[in-house]
Formats: sequence, C-alpha cells, structure tokens
Amino acid sequence: GESVGLHLPTLSVQEGDNSIINCAYSNSASDYFIWYKQESGKGPQFIIDIRSNMDKRQGQRVTVLLNKTVKHLSLQIAATQPGDSAVYFCAESGNNRLAFGKGNQVVVIP
Amino acid sequence: NAGVMQNPRHLVRRRGQEARLRCSPVKGHSHVYWYRQLPEEGLKFMVYLQKENIIDESGMPKERFSAEFPKEGPSILRIQQVVRGDSAAYFCASSPPVSGGIGYTFGSGTRLTVV
Repeated sequence: GESVGLHLPTLSVQEGDNSIINCAYSNSASDYFIWYKQESGKGPQFIIDIRSNMDKRQGQRVTVLLNKTVKHLSLQIAATQPGDSAVYFCAESGNNRLAFGKGNQVVVIP
Repeated sequence: NAGVMQNPRHLVRRRGQEARLRCSPVKGHSHVYWYRQLPEEGLKFMVYLQKENIIDESGMPKERFSAEFPKEGPSILRIQQVVRGDSAAYFCASSPPVSGGIGYTFGSGTRLTVV
C-alpha cells in the first residue's frame, strides 16, 4: 500500500523579514554544532557553526544561538531573501559523525 | 579547487541488481563519510573511512552494503541485490584529518531509484 511520508515543519516568511529556525539536540556531551542549508536536489551546504563553549555566534546575515541547559539551537536569518528558500538542518558532531535533526523548510514569499 | 564529486547523480536499478556509487573527496582530504537521506528526513550516518581503512561502519546495514576507500581512486559505496527500500539519496562528505566535524564538505549526492 501507499505510505504516507512525514511533512517537514514549514516556515513561511515575507521577503525582508527575519526568520528563526529551532532545533533540539539529544547528546549533552556534543561540543560542536553546525547548521546546514539544503536546496532541492543538492547536498547540505555549511552555513554556520558553534562550539559548546559559546552561546552565540554571528555570520553574514545569520546568527546561531546555543542553549546547553535545554539542549536547544536556533538559527536566525536576517532580512530573508528568496535565495534563502531551502530546508535547514542542525547537526551535532560526535563519535566521528554528524547527527542531523529532522529539518525545517523555509519558504520565502516575495 | 573542486569540491566533493559524486557520480552518478541519478541511478536507476531493478530489484536484485547491484548499485555502485562513487565519491572523490576534496583534494587533500583523507577522510570520507557516507550518509543516506530518505525523503523529507535528515541525513543518517552510514560509514566512515580513511584511505584503505574502514573506521566506523556502525550505521551501515550488515548485509548487501559495503564501502571502500582505496589507496588510489574514489571511495565506493556498493549495494548488492538492491530492494525498493534502498531508494534514497546517498551523500558523501570528506574532511581533513582529525576534523571533529570541522571542514566537512558534502557532495551533491547520488539519487538511487530501485524499480
């Protein structure tokens, strides 16, 4: 029979507005976290990273916040542009591998 | 300076056939990782290799799947006797030695469809 797939959480945002994407991670011992952007038909593309000894890191138009107390990461995108439309994954590094979260789809409305 | 190159981009196989996926890492990267992605899901770790060594294959099914990274040439992920459930996107990543996740570069993936 036909299987029903899971639908990704979707954030629709007006062009020019700010976007916030959230992620919960599982391993309290993880010390390095990365946000990736994945466009349709492409591989994950590095956006920004943060080590566990920091709680905030800024890049160009992006900011990552880390709350180790509740094991939570967020990615803020300032002045969202149509080219930001993609699926965004957080990943935690440990044991020679990356463990990815489930992903959030961002749709930018022109 | 080319990134991670994967080929083919798309691969269609009938049930029972073999699939071979190739990955050439970034020049100078000696560590290769394979991940599998099902539709609307995150990537799942399969295997971590260095030149001529499998370091961690704990994410790879014990049967039908194998991986190698020879001294010369690309890394190969081989799936024997493919079944419909093997249909997925397979991504390769490479990193410099002692990376800890830093400097990971992903390829564009091979999309395997089993019919």
